[in-house]
Amino acid sequence: GAVVSQHPSRVICKSGTSVKIECRSLDFQATTMFWYRQFPKQSLMLMATSNEGSKATYEQGVEKDKFLINHASLTLSTLTVTSAHPEDSSFYICSATTGTGISGYTFGSGTRLTVV
Amino acid sequence: QKEVEQNSGPLSVPEGAIASLNCTYSDRVSQSFFWYRQYSGKSPELIMSIYSNGDKEDGRFTAQLNKASQYVSLLIRDSQPSDSATYLCAATPNAGKSTFGDGTTLTVKP
Repeated sequence: GAVVSQHPSRVICKSGTSVKIECRSLDFQATTMFWYRQFPKQSLMLMATSNEGSKATYEQGVEKDKFLINHASLTLSTLTVTSAHPEDSSFYICSATTGTGISGYTFGSGTRLTVV
Repeated sequence: QKEVEQNSGPLSVPEGAIASLNCTYSDRVSQSFFWYRQYSGKSPELIMSIYSNGDKEDGRFTAQLNKASQYVSLLIRDSQPSDSATYLCAATPNAGKSTFGDGTTLTVKP
């Protein structure tokens, strides 16, 4: 089955620094990748939709200059949290799908970010 | 009104019972429907997809779709403690992105 690898699984960083999270589709070409954030005991919140070779589409209220998304190839998308603050601490999850999404999404294992 | 609505729960059932999870959606152009399971502290995993009206069975899981009523459900037969998780319903228009519900938390008590 489809596999999406997400790294790192856990990261602790200091306030003001930047953190990069990678999402790779290992055995299929993901024309579309999504980035979500999830706070404890809350629902998935879509942050942005990432299409290969084009700029990401951000959801309302998500700062595109703070959460930089790059989808340079059909198998790799990255999310960089810039100038991280403690309130950015959360569980970040990527998902990937082929163009139509008709087969559903494959999720990465998630990255737990703690900003101290 | 949310586009995809689920009862947040928690839903508690005894081991061996049938767990019934429900979902309604508002966008009539939705064509594909999915159920994801998310264990605490983990990311979601796809467990069922359904595209046509009626029932679709896969092992202990049965997904049901009624497009006229804009209703999707997931039945888990012979529930096990390992089924305890949050179940997310998602609706997708053709070639579009999925809209997720907030999830229903299921607890199966031994």
